[in-house]
Amino acid sequence: EAQVTQNPRYLITVTGKKLTVTCSQNMNHEYMSWYRQDPGLGLRQIYYSMNVEVTDKGDVPEGYKVSRKEKRNFPLILESPSPNQTSLYFCASSSRRGEKLLFGSGTQLSVL
Amino acid sequence: RKEVEQDPGPFNVPEGATVAFNCTYSNSASQSFFWYRQDCRKEPKLLMSVYSSGNEDGRFTAQLNRASQYISLLIRDSKLSDSATYLCVVIRGGATNKLIFGTGTLLAVQP
Repeated sequence: EAQVTQNPRYLITVTGKKLTVTCSQNMNHEYMSWYRQDPGLGLRQIYYSMNVEVTDKGDVPEGYKVSRKEKRNFPLILESPSPNQTSLYFCASSSRRGEKLLFGSGTQLSVL
Repeated sequence: RKEVEQDPGPFNVPEGATVAFNCTYSNSASQSFFWYRQDCRKEPKLLMSVYSSGNEDGRFTAQLNRASQYISLLIRDSKLSDSATYLCVVIRGGATNKLIFGTGTLLAVQP
């Protein structure tokens, strides 16, 4: 079954404690992306990757890092989380940029 | 002005009703269009692509009006299970092929 697997589903942490949200896809997709969703603001792109070792900033990259060492994995790293990063995060992938996206089930992050 | 705009709703309709949502986009170079459905706190899921000639999938009909730069989604014979947020997605044309999401329209179908 084609899927994007995101973990964890829920995460509560404290300010400044580094965390990683994992994302993996099993469709050999070239394009992967991270979004955050906040009430009234919709989905905003954080980072995206066109292929292995190719990543670029989206609309709201500040405070986040990503890596794409393998095609299937695209982790999101928060080196020093802050309360304004409390949000619902989604990873997504597609065969290439500009195609319809398949989303992971989301990670609800709370930074205290 | 946002590049993709939707009426946030909520649209409260009785079961069996027909309801339509519009989504306007400002970039005339936009090339592809989709409707996604999102249940509360869940991931968005592709509902349907929107083709220039219009397309239908069961009770759902999507249309594109390039001259006026909007897409629409029509739901006939609404079911309780149609209650969700409907996201309009526009792919900006040119080199970026970036997906731009609307903030969504909330539909609540009442028994």
